[in-house]
Amino acid sequence: RKEVEQDPGPFNVPEGATVAFNCTYSNSASQSFFWYRQDCRKEPKLLMSVYSSGNEDGRFTAQLNRASQYISLLIRDSKLSDSATYLCVVSAGTYKYIFGTGTRLKVLA
Amino acid sequence: NAGVTQTPKFRVLKTGQSMTLLCAQDMNHEYMYWYRQDPGMGLRLIHYSVGEGTTAKGEVPDGYNVSRLKKQNFLLGLESAAPSQTSVYFCASQDTINEKLFFGSGTQLSVL
Repeated sequence: RKEVEQDPGPFNVPEGATVAFNCTYSNSASQSFFWYRQDCRKEPKLLMSVYSSGNEDGRFTAQLNRASQYISLLIRDSKLSDSATYLCVVSAGTYKYIFGTGTRLKVLA
Repeated sequence: NAGVTQTPKFRVLKTGQSMTLLCAQDMNHEYMYWYRQDPGMGLRLIHYSVGEGTTAKGEVPDGYNVSRLKKQNFLLGLESAAPSQTSVYFCASQDTINEKLFFGSGTQLSVL
């Protein structure tokens, strides 16, 4: 079993739709959780950290479920510019960041 | 406002050749990392450094060496390139306060 698993997609959604991705992790000792965004042939960029109580940044909401060992990302009112690959990243300690393979999102006009 | 600068952007090598990838950051970060990204796989850690003069092995260190002689620079070397090292390489530095990783723009390496 992979340490961090994501549905590769693609998720094809119309503009304005709400879409959600999940990411499961296997190490119950994981401490920090993040969502990164990666555009085609570009470097990953931090979208948001994920906190235990859940957190929101504009149209983006991230949640953590420690009991079931998954994190989620919800995107409301999808824009064409949201089309990208979303990487789930889990840390079990300093220096040890485990990247998921990413979920590809395509927002259609 | 450079952030993390990675050179070169593209390189084609023949099997057995050597090369060095350079990563430079201007954010005074202590921690720096080298990752490789292959299709269908997440980014995998090759080597990392927690400060000037220190380096450590990551998940896939074989065939690579690194050096951190200056805090702002982290070099990745391939002594004898193999086709299995064909990949996209990303350097990153880390803000230890919020754990945010800042990535360079990547190097597409092909080994023939």
